Amino acid sequence: EAEVAQSPRYKITEKSQAVAFWCDPISGHATLYWYRQILGQGPELLVQFQDESVVDDSQLPKDRFSAERLKGVDSTLKIQPAELGDSAMYLCASSYDRGADTQYFGPGTRLTVL
Amino acid sequence: EDQVTQSPEALRLQEGESSSLNCSYTVSGLRGLFWYRQDPGKGPEFLFTLYSAGEEKEKERLKATLTKKESFLHITAPKPEDSATYLCAVQASGQAGTALIFGKGTTLSVSS
Repeated sequence: EAEVAQSPRYKITEKSQAVAFWCDPISGHATLYWYRQILGQGPELLVQFQDESVVDDSQLPKDRFSAERLKGVDSTLKIQPAELGDSAMYLCASSYDRGADTQYFGPGTRLTVL
Repeated sequence: EDQVTQSPEALRLQEGESSSLNCSYTVSGLRGLFWYRQDPGKGPEFLFTLYSAGEEKEKERLKATLTKKESFLHITAPKPEDSATYLCAVQASGQAGTALIFGKGTTLSVSS
């Protein structure tokens, strides 16, 4: 069964350092999402891609966060510099297309900022 | 503002004790309502999508229903392996993209 892959699974960093997360969506899925989930809360969207184009990044803190999907396949989310409040689970999801298509989530990257 | 509220926050059941989880929503226009299961430290696992009021879907011990303002996830004769956090999410037609808007979840504990 096809799955969304993410790495690393865990990341511990000190504040002011740079971190990067990688996501490989299910093959053939054109839409890719990055969500952030704080403990005890539901996931919240950071950025949505359709192929290589950004569809919605209204909730992405652009002063420190960046995301790219250069070839319309895998994607990287970067934080520079990391802050204590960035500690959370970063989830990647993909769907075949836009609309009410099912979004399939990866295992997530647990980030701890010290 | 599009919003999803889940209740209760936590639910403890004995094995075999049936119950329901509630998800109430306010959206500008509903494209779909989604239920996910999330185990600790893992990503959400898809369960159901509902599109219109009156729709129902079933999978093993779970049954999801939808009205114009809320959805229920009914759990019949639960087992300990059903213990998890259940997330409800909506996709609204009035937003720029197609991201899901999630509730905070209901954490279910089933004891034997």
